[in-house]
Formats: sequence, structure tokens, C-alpha cells
Amino acid sequence: GAVVSQHPSWVICKSGTSVKIECRSLDFQATTMFWYRQFPKQSLMLMATSNEGSKATYEQGVEKDKFLINHASLTLSTLTVTSAHPEDSSFYICSARVDRNTEAFFGQGTRLTVV
Amino acid sequence: QKEVEQNSGPLSVPEGAIASLNCTYSDRVSQSFFWYRQYSGKSPELIMSIYSNGDKEDGRFTAQLNKASQYVSLLIRDSQPSDSATYLCAVDFNKFYFGSGTKLNVKP
Repeated sequence: GAVVSQHPSWVICKSGTSVKIECRSLDFQATTMFWYRQFPKQSLMLMATSNEGSKATYEQGVEKDKFLINHASLTLSTLTVTSAHPEDSSFYICSARVDRNTEAFFGQGTRLTVV
Repeated sequence: QKEVEQNSGPLSVPEGAIASLNCTYSDRVSQSFFWYRQYSGKSPELIMSIYSNGDKEDGRFTAQLNKASQYVSLLIRDSQPSDSATYLCAVDFNKFYFGSGTKLNVKP
């Protein structure tokens, strides 16, 4: 299958700081990337949908000013958690797909801990 | 979010048995359906995709889709302990929404 690389795999940051997570499609061009958050023993919750060259579409209840998403190229999307707080600690996962109605492939995930 | 429903389980089956996982979805216009497997602490990995009514087989896995009933299922034949994981149903409503997942335990 296609390869999606996500970095970092884990990060610990202080409350109030910002953290950037990168998601790259290594062997295909992704017109769409998705960002999810997963709390322990819960399912993946879609945060936003990112299309190359346009603004991300955020799900209801997700603060777009807090979770900044940039999809500058067909192979790279970034999620920046701004002014992180302990309640933002979670497992963040990106996925990418070539086009509509095709499979989405997942990055390895980033475990964020805010202290 | 659009609704994708799964029984959370756990579903326990003996090694070698058939495991049957079910999923229902709310939006009739959905065209694409996927099954992912997620091990604890890891990100999901794609098992199968299905786009047309009927069955689709890939090795020990068979996906079944019934758009009229808004129902998609996954059968795992000859279940192995290594199949123990959480199985996530995903439906493409022009975005990828997941069900809550069904935890499968395959007992040796």
C-alpha cells in the first residue's frame, strides 16, 4: 500500500507552547488529507479535512484557530496545535488519499503529551 | 458527523472460527466503504475497500455491502490470535468517518 509518514511519533511539550506535526505522502500525491484525534479507548474523531491549496474544513466543535492546518503541497500537510493545554494531550493521526472514493492511508500517529 | 455504527464488542471467537463484524451507516449517498484494523497504540491499517453491492474476497477476508440496507460487514475466516485487534468501519461521506470500532479477541 501507499506510504504516509508522520512526524514526530511522540512529543512532550509545556503548556502554552505550540507543536507542529507533519504528514507526508511518500509515494503518491494526496489531493486530500484528514486529521484525526483519538483519546484512549475511543474511536478516531475527524478534526478537519485538508485539500491541497485551499483552506481546511473543520468539523463542528474543532477550533480552527487552535488547530492550524496547512496543506501547501500534494505531499505535505501540517497540523499545529497552538497554545497547547493538558487536555490537548491525545493521539493525533493523519491520513491521505489520492482522490475521492479511494482508500485513505494512515501515518503512524503522533502521541502528544502536554505537561 | 455522519453516523457510522458498530457494535463495540468485545467479540470473542476461538482460533480457526469465522469472525463476523458488522457496520451500519446513515447516509444513502455514500459510495465507498472501508475496513481498517487497529492494534492498540498504533494507527489504523487498511484491510479492504468495497464500492459495489455484494461480496468482495481477499484471502481470509470477505467484505459484504448492501446499500439498500445501509449495511457493510467483514468476515474473517480461519481466525488467528494475530487477528485480535479493533476493527474500524469507515464510510466516505466525502470525508472519512469512522465507527467506534469492534474489538475482536481470537482465543488460541
